[in-house]
Amino acid sequence: QSALTQPASVAGSPGQSITISCTGTSSDIGAYDYVSWYQQHPGTAPKLILYNVSNRPSGVPDRFSGSKSGTTASLTISGLQLEDEAHYYCSSYTHLYTPVLFGGGTNLTVL
Amino acid sequence: QVHLVQSGAEVKKPGSSVKVSCKASGDTFINYLFSWVRQAPGQGLEWVGGIIPVFRTPTYAQSFQDRVTITADESTSTVYMELRGLRSEDTAVYYCARGPAGIVGATPLDYWGQGTLVPVTS
Repeated sequence: QSALTQPASVAGSPGQSITISCTGTSSDIGAYDYVSWYQQHPGTAPKLILYNVSNRPSGVPDRFSGSKSGTTASLTISGLQLEDEAHYYCSSYTHLYTPVLFGGGTNLTVL
Repeated sequence: QVHLVQSGAEVKKPGSSVKVSCKASGDTFINYLFSWVRQAPGQGLEWVGGIIPVFRTPTYAQSFQDRVTITADESTSTVYMELRGLRSEDTAVYYCARGPAGIVGATPLDYWGQGTLVPVTS
């Protein structure tokens, strides 16, 4: 069982918006803004798409946005494109024994 | 352009050890944080540990504390991860990833290696 909880799957149609949640605790997401999101296509390494809750690295489209409320962080993808079909993982810092936590991942299907 | 190039796949027997390397190029080596993240077949990501070469002191995930050693060689800009006492559950792709130096876990991993497959089988 992963430390951060994500839905196993979400689906959307091209052009629509979807949101993926990532729920933690008061020791991680609830205490710090060190939340990152990674996109992973099959057979490839993960790619950073958001950091510090809502910051986008250079080259990441502004269709990707992030937010946080309490112990839950969210990734929103607007204007879905076929190439967005991938697995998405959230990550957070925690002050507990293992400082890096990942969510179990969400499989996004673009229908 | 930053590149992280990892060593090739290695098939291991239960009880043995594996040492995976990750050679960095394209930017200053010692002032970044390097993490190792693994992914079992069909599963999610799991953080193994990390090191900032200039400080030399690694940080490990609690579940790997007794079996893993992460080191950095500044002379070759290479980071290593050694995992001992391998069991079938350690079968995974092991990724090296780099992020800005800072609190381990608080900085994002913005560059990733290609991954190294380590099947553990008798």
